Amino acid sequence: AQSVAQPEDQVNVAEGNPLTVKCTYSVSGNPYLFWYVQYPNRGLQFLLKYITGDNLVKGSYGFEAEFNKSQTSFHLKKPSALVSDSALYFCAVRDSGFSGGYNKLIFGAGTRLAVHP
Amino acid sequence: NAGVTQTPKFRILKIGQSMTLQCAQDMNHNYMYWYRQDPGMGLKLIYYSVGAGITDKGEVPNGYNVSRSTTEDFPLRLELAAPSQTSVYFCASSYSAPRDEQFFGPGTRLTVL
Repeated sequence: AQSVAQPEDQVNVAEGNPLTVKCTYSVSGNPYLFWYVQYPNRGLQFLLKYITGDNLVKGSYGFEAEFNKSQTSFHLKKPSALVSDSALYFCAVRDSGFSGGYNKLIFGAGTRLAVHP
Repeated sequence: NAGVTQTPKFRILKIGQSMTLQCAQDMNHNYMYWYRQDPGMGLKLIYYSVGAGITDKGEVPNGYNVSRSTTEDFPLRLELAAPSQTSVYFCASSYSAPRDEQFFGPGTRLTVL
């Protein structure tokens, strides 16, 4: 069965410092991995995805994520955090090897990022 | 493009009442989805549709119904509201699956008292 874990409920970072939001996954085949961000009282916005190819994926707003197959991880990173990055971040996974019915997207529980001035 | 739109933004229901949450997209996406978001629980898929006239259950379909008569619209119906249905509901769409990202509406905050 597919699953996603975001081990940290909250990550606190000072503005200007690098940030990392962690995500690990479990699928039976190869993963399709996604990061979404949710600002207060808004819907989720797509940040980036890994489908295949280069393990380092670059996305919106200066974010990037590194796919690590051996560690089954897809951590979200940014070299220099901004106060405006403060939001709720969701990792999601889909199993590319799934062959029956609808292959649904499984979301993690979310990590709240707080960037302090 | 307006993207994915949802109405209403907020609603308070009494136990046993019914209502329909509206969702529309103008991106000509084939796939549409309904999720509910509960605090600390991530998103759970309620129903999805792979095209007009085709719908199927997700992880938590009990107490809900959907229809998809057009590509653009995907309403979610609550027949007999219960306190357990208090949640934030998001509609989403994607051109295809499984490689494509989903586009989300702004959400409907529903409280059942």
